[in-house]
Amino acid sequence: DVKVTQSSRYLVKRTGEKVFLECVQDMDHENMFWYRQDPGLGLRLIYFSYDVKMKEKGDIPEGYSVSREKKERFSLILESASTNQTSMYLCASRGFGPWSGELFFGEGSRLTVL
Amino acid sequence: QQQVKQSPQSLIVQKGGISIINCAYENTAFDYFPWYQQFPGKGPALLIAIRPDVSEKKEGRFTISFNKSAKQFSLHIMDSQPGDSATYFCAATPGAGANNLFFGTGTRLTVIP
Repeated sequence: DVKVTQSSRYLVKRTGEKVFLECVQDMDHENMFWYRQDPGLGLRLIYFSYDVKMKEKGDIPEGYSVSREKKERFSLILESASTNQTSMYLCASRGFGPWSGELFFGEGSRLTVL
Repeated sequence: QQQVKQSPQSLIVQKGGISIINCAYENTAFDYFPWYQQFPGKGPALLIAIRPDVSEKKEGRFTISFNKSAKQFSLHIMDSQPGDSATYFCAATPGAGANNLFFGTGTRLTVIP
């Protein structure tokens, strides 16, 4: 069964702290994504990666960075957390090819910044 | 701006009824339209998807209707069940392999017994 695992389901951090959100997929997928989910706004793409060490900005990259050192792992980094980054963060992966449209999501990491 | 507009924001349907969620888009380059279903505490999962060369796609009780000229598509859930209670997201992308998948804002469906 395909699996995308987000290591932290719930985190509480203080303003200014550095936050790491980790995501691992076991499907040997080339593409990995970080989305942010907020009520009334749907899912918004923060960053995606189409290969190891490659990354592209999504719609809302400000305040975030990412790291992909291994194919199976994609990390989201908040260098200095702010209260407006309180949200649900979803990692997803997708294979390569013209009909590989299905995104496989993790269960999410709910971050609260105080 | 929102590339895909979704309505309603929430929907309450009686068991056995039909649930209808609507989405609209402007970008004529979009050619792949998936729907994702998300249960509380879980990530979204692909439910059903359509390309604009067909006007309808049915999988069990779930049907996507697609109107290319109006740039609208909708999800119909027939014989809605309490187990269908979830948040539904429509999405659109210029190609199934494209990276920029644009999501609607979501519809929270509650099916009451």
